[in-house]
This record gives sequence, structure tokens and C-alpha cells, in this order.
Amino acid sequence: DTAVSQTPKYLVTQMGNDKSIKCEQNLGHDTMYWYKQDSKKFLKIMFSYNNKELIINETVPNRFSPKSPDKAHLNLHINSLELGDSAVYFCASSQVGRTDTQYFGPGTRLTVL
Amino acid sequence: GNSVTQMEGPVTLSEEAFLTINCTYTATGYPSLFWYVQYPGEGLQLLLKATKADDKGSNKGFEATYRKETTSFHLEKGSVQVSDSAVYFCALLLTDSWGKFQFGAGTQVVVTP
Repeated sequence: DTAVSQTPKYLVTQMGNDKSIKCEQNLGHDTMYWYKQDSKKFLKIMFSYNNKELIINETVPNRFSPKSPDKAHLNLHINSLELGDSAVYFCASSQVGRTDTQYFGPGTRLTVL
Repeated sequence: GNSVTQMEGPVTLSEEAFLTINCTYTATGYPSLFWYVQYPGEGLQLLLKATKADDKGSNKGFEATYRKETTSFHLEKGSVQVSDSAVYFCALLLTDSWGKFQFGAGTQVVVTP
């Protein structure tokens, strides 16, 4: 069973489009995250949710909007996509109180043309 | 601010060679330190961690010691295998930061037979 899954694995789209990436975890964790990894492999946190409540919101353009319908899901919606949004986006999860051990999904490679 | 600096890659070495990846940090508080590993096409996995000075984290033959006096957490393995080829990330986490990791830029390691 996949612990943290993301869909799609690859996403190729045109500038200006709106797209979503879905994330689901079956670990029973309370906390979920979105990270962005750029072409140089630099990894930076974007958002964190705990029990559907936004906890961390880094300096991310408001074109990016996370949505957590329940504890097991954290989706990322991106409006008006730009070339600079091209990256690999990782979802992760952890237990509350054990945020030092995060479980990562396999990533979604977004390419904006 | 908080930051992690690790040696640039790629690091290329032969099977059974000794591996060292340097990592230093700056932190406003007293962080826990981590090494995560990313195998090709996969998400990050926790490799090892240390939560206080002089602690040694170890896993799968890898070791790292939390050195507060030199603000370092260098990763070592005595005899690498081809399967160790991956990108290695050093990271710090401050207490009560809700899982807001500060990652280094990653070091790609390539092990040749």
C-alpha cells in the first residue's frame, strides 16, 4: 500500500492555465505539507495543514491555494500558471507531535510551456 | 536566519569507497538535524537524525554526529554501494516550528561499479 500518493505524476500544461495536484495519505497522520523542488533540487516548504487547519504558509504567490477536505487529503490548486512554476511538487505527512519524521510522496513533475 | 549549507555535487566515487558529505548550519535556536535521501524518481526518505549535541544518528551504514561547536552534521559511510546513488539532503528543524524543515541544496552522489 502506498503511504503518501500524489496524482498526477506528470503534468504538462500551457502558461495561464489552472491545474490541481492531489495528495492522499493512508498513514492516519494529522499533518500534511506541500514542498516545491526546483530544477537545482532545492527543496522549500510551501504550506502545512494540521487537521485541515493552515499552519504554515510561506511566501508563496496567492495563485497557489491548498485545500484540505479532510485529514487524509491535501490538494494544491494553481491558477494562472507561469513558466517559473515548473518544478517537482512533493506532498508529505507526519503525525502531530512527530513533525520531525515526514513521509514524502513520489512527487508531481509540473512543466509549464 | 536559519540555513543549511552542504557540499555541492555531484560526488562520484567507486563502489566500496568512503563517502563524506559535509553539512553545516546556522540556527537561531537549538535545532534537530537530519539527513534525508532521495532515490531517483522517488520522494525523500528520512535516513537518520540527531536531536542534541554529540548525538550520533545511524542507519543503513550511514552515520552523522551532531557537532554543536562546529555547527556541523557531516554524513559518512565507510563502503558505498551502487544502490547508494541518490541525492542526500541535510536539514534542520527547530522546536515548535510545526515541521518547517530548512533543507540544504542537496548533494548528488553517484556510485560506479
